[in-house]
Amino acid sequence: DSGVTQTPKHLITATGQRVTLRCSPRSGDLSVYWYQQSLDQGLQFLIQYYNGEERAKGNILERFSAQQFPDLHSELNLSSLELGDSALYFCASSLGGEQYFGPGTRLTVT
Amino acid sequence: AQSVTQPDIHITVSEGASLELRCNYSYGATPYLFWYVQSPGQGLQLLLKYFSGDTLVQGIKGFEAEFKRSQSSFNLRKPSVHWSDAAEYFCAVGLSNFGNEKLTFGTGTRLTIIP
Repeated sequence: DSGVTQTPKHLITATGQRVTLRCSPRSGDLSVYWYQQSLDQGLQFLIQYYNGEERAKGNILERFSAQQFPDLHSELNLSSLELGDSALYFCASSLGGEQYFGPGTRLTVT
Repeated sequence: AQSVTQPDIHITVSEGASLELRCNYSYGATPYLFWYVQSPGQGLQLLLKYFSGDTLVQGIKGFEAEFKRSQSSFNLRKPSVHWSDAAEYFCAVGLSNFGNEKLTFGTGTRLTIIP
């Protein structure tokens, strides 16, 4: 158990819908990272928050957004969902250096 | 931009045999290097990391990796594999800037263990 929690574990939704994925980092970790894992793209960095502020952006679509709250938990919002958004979404947290990953949220868009 | 290459998509080894998974990276500065393991339907578990110092690093589950700057490599090794080692292994490189260590992953190597 990494200490990073993600909810929900599974999510099935229709095209065009909006979903919110939630992540709670390990106690004391200030950084939260979001990654997407798909068969065709592999593991891709989406976005990082550090102590409530956006720190780095990767290959994140404009339909996706994220935020980190004062209690340091983070949410990833995915809107206008397309079939190609089906993937495993991981959250990771760190204090500096190594990242610890949550179990992921498997999103299926039908 | 940094990049990671794992040239072996799939490796099959016999239980008890030794293992080496290859990883090459491209990064302009001193990298942070990591190996993660992912079992089916699971998240990524950190096996080991290299930040600086001794180029041979020990990790969990009996794994070790050696950083070779001249070859831009960070290969993962285990002297004797167990059936429970069957999983997907990812090499990753991170920026060496505190507060911004986004990881770039390789495409992974799937390890199959045969009895």
